[in-house]
Amino acid sequence: SAVISQKPSRDICQRGTSLTIQCQVDSQVTMMFWYRQQPGQSLTLIATANQGSEATYESGFVIDKFPISRPNLTFSTLTVSNMSPEDSSIYLCSVEGGGKRGPYEQYFGPGTRLTVT
Amino acid sequence: AQSVSQHNHHVILSEAASLELGCNYSYGGTVNLFWYVQYPGQHLQLLLKYFSGDPLVKGIKGFEAEFIKSKFSFNLRKPSVQWSDTAEYFCAVLYKYIFGTGTRLKVLA
Repeated sequence: SAVISQKPSRDICQRGTSLTIQCQVDSQVTMMFWYRQQPGQSLTLIATANQGSEATYESGFVIDKFPISRPNLTFSTLTVSNMSPEDSSIYLCSVEGGGKRGPYEQYFGPGTRLTVT
Repeated sequence: AQSVSQHNHHVILSEAASLELGCNYSYGGTVNLFWYVQYPGQHLQLLLKYFSGDPLVKGIKGFEAEFIKSKFSFNLRKPSVQWSDTAEYFCAVLYKYIFGTGTRLKVLA
């Protein structure tokens, strides 16, 4: 299994500012994913980040609002830009597992709880 | 568009009761299906998964799920729940990693 850490674990930010969330994995992985979990709702995939290429964004999410970096095989960042209260959510990083347990299982980080005031 | 539906948003059971949580998906192609669980204050964890083969899948902690292709369903079951099963349960389909809205289960001691 993969162990994933995220920083910060939570933050309270003011409207119009930006926050960068870090995701660190204890092993090298090809694909990393960023999700948003809004209060009372399910997880929504924001984008898929492969090392060495531009992130692939899902419908409704754009790079200007959620720029992603993937500088190496164990690290990624997600920035929430020009925040508004609607961005208040839990942001989750995940990676795909591999090996004997199959390539498609996902391991999740603890999440970053963001509140925008 | 592909989607995953979980019809039970909140379920309250007494210990030893049987559990069945519904999950339906809309994608018509080959799918890989998952149930994830999130215990209070913990990460999302994989409960079980279906890729192919036997449609009855057994997972951790006594959970199982049955894939019924004709019904586009992947319901989660447990014959006798425990207080420690109190958690939120998410059904997910691999195609584009779509998650259901989750079912919050509370088991009364």
